[in-house]
Amino acid sequence: GAGVSQSPSNKVTEKGKDVELRCDPISGHTALYWYRQRLGQGLEFLIYFQGNSAPDKSGLPSDRFSAERTGESVSTLTIQRTQQEDSAVYLCASSFRGFMDSEAFFGQGTRLTVV
Amino acid sequence: GNSVTQMEGPVTLSEEAFLTINCTYTATGYPSLFWYVQYPGEGLQLLLKATKADDKGSNKGFEATYRKETTSFHLEKGSVQVSDSAVYFCALTKAAGNKLTFGGGTRVLVKP
Repeated sequence: GAGVSQSPSNKVTEKGKDVELRCDPISGHTALYWYRQRLGQGLEFLIYFQGNSAPDKSGLPSDRFSAERTGESVSTLTIQRTQQEDSAVYLCASSFRGFMDSEAFFGQGTRLTVV
Repeated sequence: GNSVTQMEGPVTLSEEAFLTINCTYTATGYPSLFWYVQYPGEGLQLLLKATKADDKGSNKGFEATYRKETTSFHLEKGSVQVSDSAVYFCALTKAAGNKLTFGGGTRVLVKP
């Protein structure tokens, strides 16, 4: 596609359930990022993939959060045993290289609501 | 660590008014600075950037100057339009880590 695609666009889940969020980056982009935006707050970095290098997981808030990416393709963010504080918009971005060197393109996000 | 502080919104303006959104940052060394914009129903997109002190980024009538002495990167536009209604995010990145650090966002509403 022409841009970064995220699915689902909205997800409502019960507390304690696992959820999986998907990001399709722009073809050829080696860098992929996940961010979280809680209501009324700024974007919070979660994880960064760059090509086949080990991902930077320093922003993941707990071991309930994990993400995978195979090569330069789709990425999935998994949240296990969801909690109400996980409710947020989860944004994915990709760029040809990293943010320092090339423009980042963001998806429209997945709005997660944990009830 | 790195941080970005920007003025809280919402900012409500009339068409053709002057817009300023303040942004200050905390970072060691020389970060690159960005403004991103999120129009209703769309993803964040890069508006402008500046990579060194005294650089001015500009796009779509918006400008921001990288001020190292005041650690600021204020966004300005001389005459706003209804189509400028959006949420604006100030951000920085440094070579180490290649991550964008964002401010909290400022919602701007321009009324006809």
